[in-house]
Amino acid sequence: DAGVIQSPRHEVTEMGQEVTLRCKPISGHNSLFWYRQTMMRGLELLIYFNNNVPIDDSGMPEDRFSAKMPNASFSTLKIQPSEPRDSAVYFCASRRPGLGVTDTQYFGPGTRLTVL
Amino acid sequence: AQRVTQPEKLLSVFKGAPVELKCNYSYSGSPELFWYVQYSRQRLQLLLRHISRESIKGFTADLNKGETSFHLKKPFAQEEDSAMYYCALGNYGGSQGNLIFGKGTKLSVKP
Repeated sequence: DAGVIQSPRHEVTEMGQEVTLRCKPISGHNSLFWYRQTMMRGLELLIYFNNNVPIDDSGMPEDRFSAKMPNASFSTLKIQPSEPRDSAVYFCASRRPGLGVTDTQYFGPGTRLTVL
Repeated sequence: AQRVTQPEKLLSVFKGAPVELKCNYSYSGSPELFWYVQYSRQRLQLLLRHISRESIKGFTADLNKGETSFHLKKPFAQEEDSAMYYCALGNYGGSQGNLIFGKGTKLSVKP
């Protein structure tokens, strides 16, 4: 198993452009998490899905951010329009069904986003 | 409100020295606590969880409910322990719950 797959690994864009980050969770996992990592704020949960349904999106910074999970094997995080303060590493993680919060989250390699 | 505090952004020790990475939490119920680690050029991964009471790579962490702490300790640090360490608290909000992470501590073990 390749683990959680994220694309692209690096993204450089200009302010105002739309950015779409992609995630493929581990097969059989039913929970998916999007995180943002910055030096100042550490690792912040943006949104998480359970069985493709968004459960908690209270961490989404503002309306410029949106996330979807159309099926069990794919999720997107979109920023439109992007701003320089969105520059960060964005991680996707997935978790298998059953044990809930006590079970391990498996992280992807991250997407390093730079907004100029 | 649930919160995880890691007071040190950076911790630097020499090889062979003991190391303690501090973690304090705020949670009204019975907490589930974890340490995740990110080595250079590797993915963030689970190191240990308090419920398992395990020792991984020589690291241990004891839950102290009186002090609301879950410090990570190792008696003799190795250079390969250099990494970013995150303490995390299980949050049971929502149907299956999620984790609340601290801001992380970067451990640097010098030769």
